[in-house]
This record gives sequence, structure tokens and C-alpha cells, in this order.
Amino acid sequence: DQQVKQNSPSLSVQEGRISILNCDYTNSMFDYFLWYKKYPAEGPTFLISISSIKDKNEDGRFTVFLNKSAKHLSLHIVPSQPGDSAVYFCAARRGAQKLVFGQGTRLTINP
Amino acid sequence: EAGVAQSPRYKIIEKRQSVAFWCNPISGHATLYWYQQILGQGPKLLIQFQNNGVVDDSQLPKDRFSAERLKGVDSTLKIQPAKLEDSAVYLCASSLARGSEAFFGQGTRLTVV
Repeated sequence: DQQVKQNSPSLSVQEGRISILNCDYTNSMFDYFLWYKKYPAEGPTFLISISSIKDKNEDGRFTVFLNKSAKHLSLHIVPSQPGDSAVYFCAARRGAQKLVFGQGTRLTINP
Repeated sequence: EAGVAQSPRYKIIEKRQSVAFWCNPISGHATLYWYQQILGQGPKLLIQFQNNGVVDDSQLPKDRFSAERLKGVDSTLKIQPAKLEDSAVYLCASSLARGSEAFFGQGTRLTVV
């Protein structure tokens, strides 16, 4: 039962342009959503999060949008930089319960 | 601040052998997690400790996997006997409390041949 889905295994974007990574979830009880970034041979690192009471959260070049009615969230990176090339995981949880991760999207930023 | 430490970084074993992984969380973090990440998938929680007590082990294959967190600090995850499908990266993470931000270690890549 895949409660959190990232349907795009990979995404390629030109440097300076906007990167948009998408995530869908099925459990309407999730109330907190996170994005993690993972470089090869390293563990995931926290990037940005959003509570279900909000529909947008911004941190520098990174913005997360939440559409509760569609059970969809997205991560926008603008402008994209070569150092943003990594695997991005969407994750969700209900209260203090465990995080449920999506499959990940490999983002490649081309010079 | 030191991060989450895991060892070994890599391990290759034959099926039916046993293996153990070690994790040292960030100092003061009460919550410790073990995740399994199979290639092409997201991390899946195997077990969660709050201090030295188990909070969630619903997805831990208890016939072959075991974990302990003696004294509420370091933790070990053991697989005995290993199967081919156990090949994965095993990630340890810790957080100050349940529901707070989790910090991950670099992981142990296990290959079962």
C-alpha cells in the first residue's frame, strides 16, 4: 500500500530554470509533509516542510505547495543550481507517527 | 555537533549468514529509527525506539530481524539468517523527540549474495 507516491523517477532541468517535483498521497489523515534531499552515499537530509494548516511554505530558493483537496504537494526550486542534483524524497506523517516516504525523484540540473 | 554515526558503511555476506549494524545517534536524541531502503524505493521504517523502549516495529520481519537499544543510546540491528531480498541500505536516524526533525546517518549498504 503506497500511501505516498512520486510518479516521476527522474527529472532533468536546465540550470537557472525552475524545477518542480511532485508528490501525491492517499491518506487524508496526514497532517505534516516533508521533503528530503539525498546525495549518493549519504543519508537523506531535511530540506523543507509544511503543515496541513498551510498551503505554502517558502525557504530561500525552495517553496513547497500543498493542495489538500487534491492530496498533492509539490516542491519548487528556483533558480535551479548544479548542486541541487540529487534524489528528492517526499514524506508524510500523522501527528507523531512514523514518516512514510515516497519512492524518490532523481533531479539532474544541466549546465 | 556530531551527526548520526553508523558502521560498517558496506557489508557483503552470503545468504543464510548473519550480520549486525551499529548506530550511535546524536547526543541527547531520545528517538531512534532504523529504516530499510531498497534500490529504487523510499526508506521504509523497520523499528522506532523512544529511549530504550520500542514504539513501532510493525514492519520489522521479526522472524529474522532484531534490534535493541540498550541504555537508550546506541542501537544494533541484526539480521539472521539473511536473504537475498535483504540487500538494501540500512539507515539509522535520530530525533530529539517523536515528531521532531529526524537526522539520518550515512547508512550501511548490505549486499547479500
